[in-house]
Amino acid sequence: GAVVSQHPSRVICKSGTSVKIECRSLDFQATTMFWYRQFPKQSLMLMATSNEGSKATYEQGVEKDKFLINHASLTLSTLTVTSAHPEDSSFYICSALYPLKSYEQYFGPGTRLTVT
Amino acid sequence: DAKTTQPPSMDCAEGRAANLPCNHSTISGNEYVYWYRQIHSQGPQYIIHGLKNNETNEMASLIITEDRKSSTLILPHATLRDTAVYYCIVRPNTGANSKLTFGKGITLSVRP
Repeated sequence: GAVVSQHPSRVICKSGTSVKIECRSLDFQATTMFWYRQFPKQSLMLMATSNEGSKATYEQGVEKDKFLINHASLTLSTLTVTSAHPEDSSFYICSALYPLKSYEQYFGPGTRLTVT
Repeated sequence: DAKTTQPPSMDCAEGRAANLPCNHSTISGNEYVYWYRQIHSQGPQYIIHGLKNNETNEMASLIITEDRKSSTLILPHATLRDTAVYYCIVRPNTGANSKLTFGKGITLSVRP
């Protein structure tokens, strides 16, 4: 089956620093990937749609200059949280569209970000 | 906003069938019903999807009413590992950028 990985699985950083999270489709090419954020005991909220070779499309209320997305290849999208603050602490999950199965989305295992 | 409503929680005994309901009364003709589940602290996992016919795969069965306003996900023999939050989502299959909008889901607890 389609596999999506994320790295790192957990990261702790200090307030004011930047953190990069990688999302990779391991056995298929994904022209489109998505980034979600999930706070404790809440549902997933879509942050942005990442398209290979073009600018990401951000959902309303998501700051594009704070959450930088780069989809430089068909198997890799990165999310950089810039100038992180404690309120950015969350579970970040990516997904990739699998083009051979009616555009199914396959999710990564998530990255737990803690900003101290 | 999510276009589906689900009860917040339910439980069932291990080995029994778990029937998870979902209402989607405003579903459009080109929208499919998708089910995903999320085990604690993991990414969501695709389970099944359908348009109007009932569907079955190795994980579950999906029963969609004739008017398509509601559906039921059936786990035929629930195990403890099926304890998770189950999300019912409607979305069109047209276009590679069709989004998944997650609601609150239903928390299924499988008891020994």
